[in-house]
Amino acid sequence: GDSVTQMEGPVTLSEEAFLTINCTYTATGYPSLFWYVQYPGEGLQLLLKATKADDKGSNKGFEATYRKETTSFHLEKGSVQVSDSAVYFCALSGGRTGTASKLTFGTGTRLQVTL
Amino acid sequence: DVKVTQSSRYLVKRTGEKVFLECVQDMDHENMFWYRQDPGLGLRLIYFSYDVKMKEKGDIPEGYSVSREKKERFSLILESASTNQTSMYLCASSARGARSSPLHFGNGTRLTVT
Repeated sequence: GDSVTQMEGPVTLSEEAFLTINCTYTATGYPSLFWYVQYPGEGLQLLLKATKADDKGSNKGFEATYRKETTSFHLEKGSVQVSDSAVYFCALSGGRTGTASKLTFGTGTRLQVTL
Repeated sequence: DVKVTQSSRYLVKRTGEKVFLECVQDMDHENMFWYRQDPGLGLRLIYFSYDVKMKEKGDIPEGYSVSREKKERFSLILESASTNQTSMYLCASSARGARSSPLHFGNGTRLTVT
């Protein structure tokens, strides 16, 4: 079945450091890929998405590129802020016909940014 | 903005009790989902629904049931709560359609079963 693997945390960075959180996936067909973020005490919210190979999703300075050849969707940000401290989840949707909109999530990566 | 509201933020129940977790969305979404979130395991899908009175099992349905009598409301039921059901429960909704339809989540209900 579909699966998502992301790097274990926690990831601790100083403010303005470069961030990479790795995500790889296994799916049949042509999934859409997502990054969600969960701030303390809140539910998940969509950060960015990409729907086909070579698409780049971006939002709030975060970017991720859908790499079909390496089955990866790594999250990057050039300069993190303390306010980026949260848990980040990689997810995929519906590689196969009939499974549209049902997401499979990775285990989450906690990011802590310090001054 | 889509709003998904879960009725309780925290719940404490005793083993064997019947527990209802309620979720309401205000954007006329066809799809609704219940996930549980546990450290090191991420989010796991319990049940989902594509339409009123329709339900399908997710990856971990054992010990749970659901009800969707109205489009905006999706209830998760623990028929006889057990300690291994202590978890964070997240409700989500999405519009019917493409694989790229994002999920909109509520803030979660943290359930403790003692």
